[in-house]
Amino acid sequence: QVHLQESGPGLVKPSETLSLTCTVSGGSISRSYWGWTRQSPGKGLEWIGYIYYTGSTKYNPSLQSRVTMSADTSKNQFSLNLTSVTAADTAVYYCVRLTYSSGWAKLPHFDDWGQGALVTVSS
Amino acid sequence: DIQMTQSPSSLSASVGDRVTITCRASQGISNYLAWFQQKPGKAPKSLIYAASTLQNGVPSKFSGSGSGTEFTLTISSLQPEDFATYYCQQYDSYPYTFGLGTKLEIK
Repeated sequence: QVHLQESGPGLVKPSETLSLTCTVSGGSISRSYWGWTRQSPGKGLEWIGYIYYTGSTKYNPSLQSRVTMSADTSKNQFSLNLTSVTAADTAVYYCVRLTYSSGWAKLPHFDDWGQGALVTVSS
Repeated sequence: DIQMTQSPSSLSASVGDRVTITCRASQGISNYLAWFQQKPGKAPKSLIYAASTLQNGVPSKFSGSGSGTEFTLTISSLQPEDFATYYCQQYDSYPYTFGLGTKLEIK
């Protein structure tokens, strides 16, 4: 079973960019899809998006204008950048692994989760 | 976006009980439905995908069913470690969306 670990600043100032990295161990990121989900008291669980190691991405339309994901196969890591943050972006951010259940499945489902990283947006 | 509605929002049960949680989708999602368990201060844990397929290592006391717009998660013979919050999620279409959760508490 793969292990995912988030890392990055726990405090970000309003209008700046939130940057998180997820390090994957126990498996290669050149398999599966890799994504981010966040959880805040006000909005519950919110899917942010995912990336395939080739660089192909899919983002939540509500965040698409501010989100960028990238993958680094040499480091077995993938990253999230969220620009122009506000207090509403304060949340626990989880990195996740997604896989297709079969060749005919429509979209990949969630499998493994990281432990989560609390990011607070405040001046 | 597809809205996911869980009921009840909270549930009290005793050790040994069997409970059922319902999740309804605002439109048909075939069987693209997942269930997650979350304990306080911890990350969610994937339990079920494709409405009824258990993730590796998940005990058979957990079972899921349903298709289209109505789904259920059943937990049999409740043990202390099963008391947690349970979420459903649709992955039939973008954006993936989650229910607000059902908090299962000890009676």
